[in-house]
Amino acid sequence: DADVTQTPRNRITKTGKRIMLECSQTKGHDRMYWYRQDPGLGLRLIYYSFDVKDINKGEISDGYSVSRQAQAKFSLSLESAIPNQTALYFCATSGPIRGGWNEQFFGPGTRLTVL
Amino acid sequence: AQSVTQPDIHITVSEGASLELRCNYSYGATPYLFWYVQSPGQGLQLLLKYFSGDTLVQGIKGFEAEFKRSQSSFNLRKPSVHWSDAAEYFCAVGRNNNDMRFGAGTRLTVKP
Repeated sequence: DADVTQTPRNRITKTGKRIMLECSQTKGHDRMYWYRQDPGLGLRLIYYSFDVKDINKGEISDGYSVSRQAQAKFSLSLESAIPNQTALYFCATSGPIRGGWNEQFFGPGTRLTVL
Repeated sequence: AQSVTQPDIHITVSEGASLELRCNYSYGATPYLFWYVQSPGQGLQLLLKYFSGDTLVQGIKGFEAEFKRSQSSFNLRKPSVHWSDAAEYFCAVGRNNNDMRFGAGTRLTVKP
């Protein structure tokens, strides 16, 4: 079984709808991340969480919110989806490292289309 | 703001030829440096990383990368490319606890 899973894998929705993307991990990591990938832009960090009570905004958090329901679960919500949020979304996890960044383990991605 | 530049959007090499993918970053101190590979329809997988120490690091699948502080670069190399190396490659740079940036990626095509 995959260590990092994302649901759904594909989603088509309409402008203004609320959408939730879910991520679960079995790696036992405290740190979890949400990224979006756009062609020509690479990955950009949306939100990250270093433990259940620690949630932080990333480079592009506007229009998104997150919930860390448990160590293993980290959800990303689009309260009112808009077309420019059409992208490939990745969840990732990593183990601890003091004052820095460790290797991240990525899920398979969720392709979201907002019409 | 910190930025990560991968100057080559697309590179084509022949199977068996050598490969070098470039990565430059703008940040004063030594950051945490990573190379990831993404195969079509897949998530990203770590090839190698550099935090400190020996500036030439070895990774999986025969890849290596060299950190050059004076050039703010972390270029990825492979002496002999295999057809299975065709993928997109991302350089990533992290600093302190709240800034992680990825380059735009370099797509590698391998000719038979």
